[in-house]
Amino acid sequence: DGGITQSPKYLFRKEGQNVTLSCEQNLNHDAMYWYRQDPGQGLRLIYYSQIVNDFQKGDIAEGYSVSREKKESFPLTVTSAQKNPTAFYLCASSTYRGARNSPLHFGNGTRLTVT
Amino acid sequence: ELKVEQNPLFLSMQEGKNYTIYCNYSTTSDRLYWYRQDPGKSLESLFVLLSNGAVKQEGRLMASLDTKARLSTLHITAAVHDLSATYFCAVDHAGNMLTFGGGTRLMVKP
Repeated sequence: DGGITQSPKYLFRKEGQNVTLSCEQNLNHDAMYWYRQDPGQGLRLIYYSQIVNDFQKGDIAEGYSVSREKKESFPLTVTSAQKNPTAFYLCASSTYRGARNSPLHFGNGTRLTVT
Repeated sequence: ELKVEQNPLFLSMQEGKNYTIYCNYSTTSDRLYWYRQDPGKSLESLFVLLSNGAVKQEGRLMASLDTKARLSTLHITAAVHDLSATYFCAVDHAGNMLTFGGGTRLMVKP
C-alpha cells in the first residue's frame, strides 16, 4: 500500500542537540511538506519542496533545515537554533500543484520532546 | 497574509443533534479542504471543495463552500460518538500551499 512513513514516532533529545526527522513516501508525489503542530493549535508550514533538489521556506522555517535529494525522501533537521522545538511534526505529500482535486496526504507524525 | 479562522474552537454536543462548524478566510481562494484528526494521530482528508457553491457529503458530514463570502461550513447531522475528533479546514492560496484554521474540537456525548 502506498503511503507516507515518518520515523521515529517519538523522539527525545537534550537541548542543544540537532535532530533529524525522517519522512519517506511511495506515492510518487512530486511535492512534500513539513508542518508543525503545537497542542490545541492548527498546523504551521515549516518547509516545502515541489521538485527534487529544490525547497522553499514556509511560515516558520527559522531553526529548521531540509534536503530533497530523492523524490521519495524529505528529512527535516531541527537545529539547536530552534528556540522551542518540542512539538508534533507532520510530513505530507501531494501530486504536482496542477492536480486541483488532490488533497495533502499526511504521515502519522513524529512527537519531538526536547528537555 | 491569508488568515483562516474556525469557530467554534470547541464544541460539545449530544448524540442525535445537528451542528455547523464555520471556516472563514481572508483572501480569495477557490480550493478548500476539510480534515479530521483523532487525538495523537495524523490528519485524514474528508472533503475537497473546488468551486463556489461546491457541496460534498459523506455520511453524517456535509461540507459547502461560498467563495464570495469566503466561508465554508461543515454540517454535522444527527451526531454520533464516533464523530468526536478535531476538524480542520485548510485554504489553498498558491497551489497546494495550505493555510490551516486553528481547528474545532468536537466532543459528542452519549
